[in-house]
Amino acid sequence: NAGVTQTPKFRVLKTGQSMTLLCAQDMNHEYMYWYRQDPGMGLRLIHYSVGEGTTAKGEVPDGYNVSRLKKQNFLLGLESAAPSQTSVYFCASRKLRDWNYEQYFGPGTRLTVT
Amino acid sequence: EDKVVQSPLSLVVHEGDTVTLNCSYEVTNFRSLLWYKQEKKAPTFLFMLTSSGIEKKSGRLSSILDKKELFSILNITATQTGDSAVYLCAVEAWGSGNTGKLIFGQGTTLQVKP
Repeated sequence: NAGVTQTPKFRVLKTGQSMTLLCAQDMNHEYMYWYRQDPGMGLRLIHYSVGEGTTAKGEVPDGYNVSRLKKQNFLLGLESAAPSQTSVYFCASRKLRDWNYEQYFGPGTRLTVT
Repeated sequence: EDKVVQSPLSLVVHEGDTVTLNCSYEVTNFRSLLWYKQEKKAPTFLFMLTSSGIEKKSGRLSSILDKKELFSILNITATQTGDSAVYLCAVEAWGSGNTGKLIFGQGTTLQVKP
């Protein structure tokens, strides 16, 4: 049981380049989330998904797109990277089961845009 | 606008000291408050609090919620260098669609010196 995994772990992009971050979970969780973490700002929600084929915007969605074609995978895309998107990106998943609402986090992807 | 504020933002103590971390929130339709510990990588779950006045305890860590005054505290007794980390507070609110979204505070960086 690998939990939540993210690829890649590190990436350096030039301004204007595109890339996709992959999040995978093997816990059969319905809900998945993408956050970014910047110094002094905690975690901010970018996009989330409450099930296969559905996505919704979070707190800071501009410049990002997502897709959830399979229940276990949640992709985060940057179409034209900007230096302001330099950050650490975390994926999380969650299963609503009675009153258990814990989110499980992946190890993170450190992205630098030059 | 929903918000979560943690204090202090950073703290330096010596081994054996007791520390108290604070989390206050302004959230419409509060559901639960969660504490996470983050050591350079993914946040790991510590506690979930939903009811006022009921202390949750795990070893040297404990936490309590006050829903009237809208805050929570996380106590760590007999601190060890391994407690050095960023401690994150997050709040979930009831909302349409039952999305499970969390609103995070900025985090408190704790450094425990030998």
